[in-house]
Amino acid sequence: EAGVVQSPRYKIIEKKQPVAFWCNPISGHNTLYWYRQNLGQGPELLIRYENEEAVDDSQLPKDRFSAERLKGVDSTLKIQPAELGDSAVYLCASSDIRDRPYNEQFFGPGTRLTVL
Amino acid sequence: AQSVTQLDSHVSVSEGTPVLLRCNYSSSYSPSLFWYVQHPNKGLQLLLKYTSAATLVKGINGFEAEFKKSETSFHLTKPSAHMSDAAEYFCVVSPSYNTDKLIFGTGTRLQVFP
Repeated sequence: EAGVVQSPRYKIIEKKQPVAFWCNPISGHNTLYWYRQNLGQGPELLIRYENEEAVDDSQLPKDRFSAERLKGVDSTLKIQPAELGDSAVYLCASSDIRDRPYNEQFFGPGTRLTVL
Repeated sequence: AQSVTQLDSHVSVSEGTPVLLRCNYSSSYSPSLFWYVQHPNKGLQLLLKYTSAATLVKGINGFEAEFKKSETSFHLTKPSAHMSDAAEYFCVVSPSYNTDKLIFGTGTRLQVFP
């Protein structure tokens, strides 16, 4: 079974440019998460989806960040415009809501963003 | 509020010697606790989890952890380190009723020398 797929794996952009990250969760997983991992830190949740609905976006900086999961499967996270402080690894994870309350989150390899 | 403190940012051991990675937690609720491992350029992988059942939890690759409520600790151990264990390890806490909300520690980098 394929794991969580993310693309691109690496992205280098100049500040003020837009950037988008894509995630394909494990088949059948209806819960999808986006995390940001700064250098030397643990991941921090940005947004959580249950199917198409964003049920927790309290940590998403909404002035420049947006996300969507239109058909309840793939998801895209966008930053516009990017700032130097956005350099980080962006992780996507998915889980099966039917396994609650102990639903394991399965993580993708992440996208490493460098903003110059 | 919940948080975890990983007491060591780096741990170095020789191959074949025991591994101890320390974690203390703080939680207003009955917690669930996890250890994840992150190898370079790979996704985070769950090693083991405590969800209010047995306090001694066995995970993959010979790792285990013991939940000690009196000490608010959840230290990760392995009797004999292998070169392939070199990676970043994260201690994670969540409310036991909602494991969607994972709070990660800052990580411990484990180096294994031949």
